[in-house]
Amino acid sequence: DVKVTQSSRYLVKRTGEKVFLECVQDMDHENMFWYRQDPGLGLRLIYFSYDVKMKEKGDIPEGYSVSREKKERFSLILESASTNQTSMYLCASRIPGGNQPQHFGDGTRLSIL
Amino acid sequence: QKEVEQDPGPLSVPEGAIVSLNCTYSNSAFQYFMWYRQYSRKGPELLMYTYSSGNKEDGRFTAQVDKSSKYISLFIRDSQPSDSATYLCAMENTGNQFYFGTGTSLTVIP
Repeated sequence: DVKVTQSSRYLVKRTGEKVFLECVQDMDHENMFWYRQDPGLGLRLIYFSYDVKMKEKGDIPEGYSVSREKKERFSLILESASTNQTSMYLCASRIPGGNQPQHFGDGTRLSIL
Repeated sequence: QKEVEQDPGPLSVPEGAIVSLNCTYSNSAFQYFMWYRQYSRKGPELLMYTYSSGNKEDGRFTAQVDKSSKYISLFIRDSQPSDSATYLCAMENTGNQFYFGTGTSLTVIP
């Protein structure tokens, strides 16, 4: 079974802090994704990475950056946290190519005070 | 118009009922279709995925795709309280882009 592990289940930070969310997958997947999930809005793609050191902006990249130095690890960085970034953050990974679904971690519920 | 439309519910059914969950989409470029189950405060868990029109069955779950009508369904037979969750549909187009429905909340009452 695919295992996608997010380092924190719950996180509380203050406005203006730099926040790091970590994600690790154990299946040697090339593709990795970061989403945020908000009630009524569903999943929105922040950034994705096709492979090591590669990254592409998703639909809502503003205020975020990412890092992929190793294949198994994909980090999401909130450069200067703001209250509107309070959300559930989900990491996913997959084998590239069609008909390959994404596999998700259990999410990090982030609160910015 | 959203790429993927999913009725948010909530849907409440008695134990043992057949549940039908549905999504519609507008883009004929969608080729692959998935259903995820998400329990409260957990990440989405892959239930079913398919790329062709027709039915795919796995235990009590059946995924149905009708590309001509741009409509997909997930049927749950003999529903159990443990099926209570939010169900997300997802689709991938030929450009490897994913689109998700907003989810349908299901409660199965014992």
